[in-house]
Amino acid sequence: QVQLVQSGAAVKTPGSSVKVSCKTSGDTFRGYSINWVRQAPGQGLEWMGGFIPLLNTVIYAQKFQDRATISADESSTAVYIELDSLTSEDTATYFCARGYYDSSTSLPKYLEHWGQGTVLTVSS
Amino acid sequence: EIVLTQSPGTLSLSPGERVTLSCRASQTIRNSYLAWYQQKPGQVPRVLTYGAGSRAPGVPDRFTGSGSGTDFTLTISRLEPEDFGVYYCQQYAQSPLTFGGGTKVEI
Repeated sequence: QVQLVQSGAAVKTPGSSVKVSCKTSGDTFRGYSINWVRQAPGQGLEWMGGFIPLLNTVIYAQKFQDRATISADESSTAVYIELDSLTSEDTATYFCARGYYDSSTSLPKYLEHWGQGTVLTVSS
Repeated sequence: EIVLTQSPGTLSLSPGERVTLSCRASQTIRNSYLAWYQQKPGQVPRVLTYGAGSRAPGVPDRFTGSGSGTDFTLTISRLEPEDFGVYYCQQYAQSPLTFGGGTKVEI
């Protein structure tokens, strides 16, 4: 059974950083892409970036290139996203999601399995 | 970046009706690399279809994805009460991966 289990809700102040974890089941890790998608309250979905373990590749949406860092711990098959310089506009639910990837372009594809989501509130 | 525009914004329908949701891309999506998701309130998105019309495992056959180039459609042949929610299209032909703004289906 595919499982992605995320860390719990977080409350941060503007200007601080947050690190969200996504623990994957063992067979979920190496052959797939692990992506981060966020959803502001009442809004749509926004892809932030992804990690492809087999290619050791991290790719970001340009919007988050300077503020987000995606990392992984292969020994624990966990993937992380750290987001710096938080503002109230970063208040959202953050999802990790497993997908396939296109080996010719190193791009993630559609997202088949999702974590439960981590609610981040940024407030002073 | 590829911008996806979904229409209509909201649909109010009755069970048994046939539903057609539209997703239009700002540029050609190669290989029909487009997926459709359903999200119910308080739940995570669920992939329904991907590529040129492949259905994800466990998805009922009343859901059909189709289209190519810049115009894509998700058809629900006979609406069931459990089909309410917001439907999103997503392209994975080009970075960044992008989602449409969603179509809300009310039963």
